Amino acid sequence: DTAVSQTPKYLVTQMGNDKSIKCEQNLGHDTMYWYKQDSKKFLKIMFSYNNKELIINETVPNRFSPKSPDKAHLNLHINSLELGDSAVYFCASSLGQQSNEKLFFGSGTQLSVL
Amino acid sequence: AQTVTQSQPEMSVQEAETVTLSCTYDTSENNYYLFWYKQPPSRQMILVIRQEAYKQQNATENRFSVNFQKAAKSFSLKISDSQLGDTAMYFCAFMKQTGANNLFFGTGTRLTVIP
Repeated sequence: DTAVSQTPKYLVTQMGNDKSIKCEQNLGHDTMYWYKQDSKKFLKIMFSYNNKELIINETVPNRFSPKSPDKAHLNLHINSLELGDSAVYFCASSLGQQSNEKLFFGSGTQLSVL
Repeated sequence: AQTVTQSQPEMSVQEAETVTLSCTYDTSENNYYLFWYKQPPSRQMILVIRQEAYKQQNATENRFSVNFQKAAKSFSLKISDSQLGDTAMYFCAFMKQTGANNLFFGTGTRLTVIP
């Protein structure tokens, strides 16, 4: 059973389109995250939700809008896609917000904007 | 602000040998956590080892161990008896003890284990 699952694994789309990436965790965790890994493999947090409430919102364009319908899901919607949005997006979860808790990562969604 | 630096973009090691990956970090925090994550070609991020800054004893997980030097803000990963399956990107990461649960990553080291 996959602990943190993201769909789709690959997403190829045209500039200007709107797309969504879905994430679900079956671990019973309260906290979920979105990380972005750029072409140089650098990973940086984008958002964090705890029990459906936004906790971390890094400097991310407002074209990116996370949505958490329940604490097991954290979806990422991206409007008006740009070439620079091409990256691998990772969803992750942890039991709570305590920093000694392990993050479980999904396998990533590779987004290519043409 | 926290920064994590990995000065070795690429490393290679012969199978069964030992390799050490370097990591330094900068923070004004006194209590924090440090991590090494492995990212194989499958892209999955896998936690390799974790160190609490308040613990002097270096963390060990089977063939993986760290050399944590708090004063020097250094956190290197030693892989003993390297195996082909160890081939991956390795990321050093930092997390504050208090506040939001945010992992700060280094830029990674690509490790290749040579048969």
